[in-house]
Amino acid sequence: EVQLVESGGGLVKPGGSLRLSCEASGFTYSIFSMNWVRQAPGKGLEWVSSVSSGSHYIFYADSVKGRFTISRDNGKNSLYLQMNSLRAEDTAVYFCARAPGSGIDYMDVWGRGTTVTVSS
Amino acid sequence: EIVLTQSPGTLSLSPGERATLSCRASQSVSSNYLAWYQQKPGQAPRLLIYGASSRATGIPDRFSGSGSGTDFTLTISRLEPEDFAVYYCQQYGSSPRTFGQGTKVEIK
Repeated sequence: EVQLVESGGGLVKPGGSLRLSCEASGFTYSIFSMNWVRQAPGKGLEWVSSVSSGSHYIFYADSVKGRFTISRDNGKNSLYLQMNSLRAEDTAVYFCARAPGSGIDYMDVWGRGTTVTVSS
Repeated sequence: EIVLTQSPGTLSLSPGERATLSCRASQSVSSNYLAWYQQKPGQAPRLLIYGASSRATGIPDRFSGSGSGTDFTLTISRLEPEDFAVYYCQQYGSSPRTFGQGTKVEIK
């Protein structure tokens, strides 16, 4: 079964850090681009970051640029999001999602999400 | 950045009726790289349509996508009870990838 499972969410104080993980199974992880997408409580979807299959191309939304770092380990079928200098507005459910890659970035497989709450 | 505006915000319909959802882009979407997703409460989004009109694997043929350039449409020909949800469009033709704000299809 094709599956993505996120972990690492939790409660963190403003200015703090958190590292999210996403473990892939059931498909050849190394050939797909991967994305992080978030959804604030009661709000719509916001694309956060993407990384190409070989990590050569990395992109960030302006709202997280300089604070978040996306990475992947193809040997471990895993995707990561290092989040630093967290703000209240980063509170959201964070989804990892697979994309075909090569500039074609619709997201055909999604995880169930992990919740990040930034609050003092 | 391409801004996607979805309308209406909420669509109130009965099972069996036809639903027509609109997604308008602030500038032309390159190569019609436009996708549609369905999201139910507490669940992850599900890909319905990519490339403006191609159905994703396992998506029933009552879902169809059309449009090009700046105007796109998702049509659900006959609403089933499980189709009541929020629908988002997303463009992936330019960076940053952006989503519309969503259209909620609710039971009338």
